[in-house]
Amino acid sequence: DAKTTQPNSMESNEEEPVHLPCNHSTISGTDYIHWYRQLPSQGPEYVIHGLTSNVNNRMASLAIAEDRKSSTLILHRATLRDAAVYYCIRRGTNNAGNMLTFGGGTRLMVKP
Amino acid sequence: DVKVTQSSRYLVKRTGEKVFLECVQDMDHENMFWYRQDPGLGLRLIYFSYDVKMKEKGDIPEGYSVSREKKERFSLILESASTNQTSMYLCASSFPNLAGSTDTQYFGPGTRLTVL
Repeated sequence: DAKTTQPNSMESNEEEPVHLPCNHSTISGTDYIHWYRQLPSQGPEYVIHGLTSNVNNRMASLAIAEDRKSSTLILHRATLRDAAVYYCIRRGTNNAGNMLTFGGGTRLMVKP
Repeated sequence: DVKVTQSSRYLVKRTGEKVFLECVQDMDHENMFWYRQDPGLGLRLIYFSYDVKMKEKGDIPEGYSVSREKKERFSLILESASTNQTSMYLCASSFPNLAGSTDTQYFGPGTRLTVL
């Protein structure tokens, strides 16, 4: 998997929306964007993924730019339990073994 | 819900010991993975398996071996533990996806291994 760029950390207030950005300027046409998060002392967990269209699920929304060079994970109302490291991952179709390549991620801090 | 369990949350071993880390998943997934996670280095793939008795090297296989005798179980073996193998070890599983781009990996809680 090739590189994505995320801010090291972000802060949010509880019950406010959070927008977590990710740059993937060299993305190819068939690469998907996946987001995982890792809560303290736990393994990573899947959040959402998308290709071109915006996506929604019970955890979050994913907004993908029209040129697909960036995307934003949106948490509509942050809670203290959303404090975690969020990873944006680009996954290509020739991804050997379906492995995930995690970068540094964004550490989200949620203030009460 | 998919459940991936790892045999220990915390483990302390001595240099030179043989260490076994066990991972079990209950969703009949074909793919299983072992990663290690270190500060500043993210997750790095050690080995993965896409079927029983099948294994492939990941990015950092040196010093490790794996065993997959049953579909639900994937073991990571440190033949002779060294201090630089002190790390968080994470197991994951997924259904295979031919395109490789949309499968979801389910992770266990991790094993924090300390080698003294």
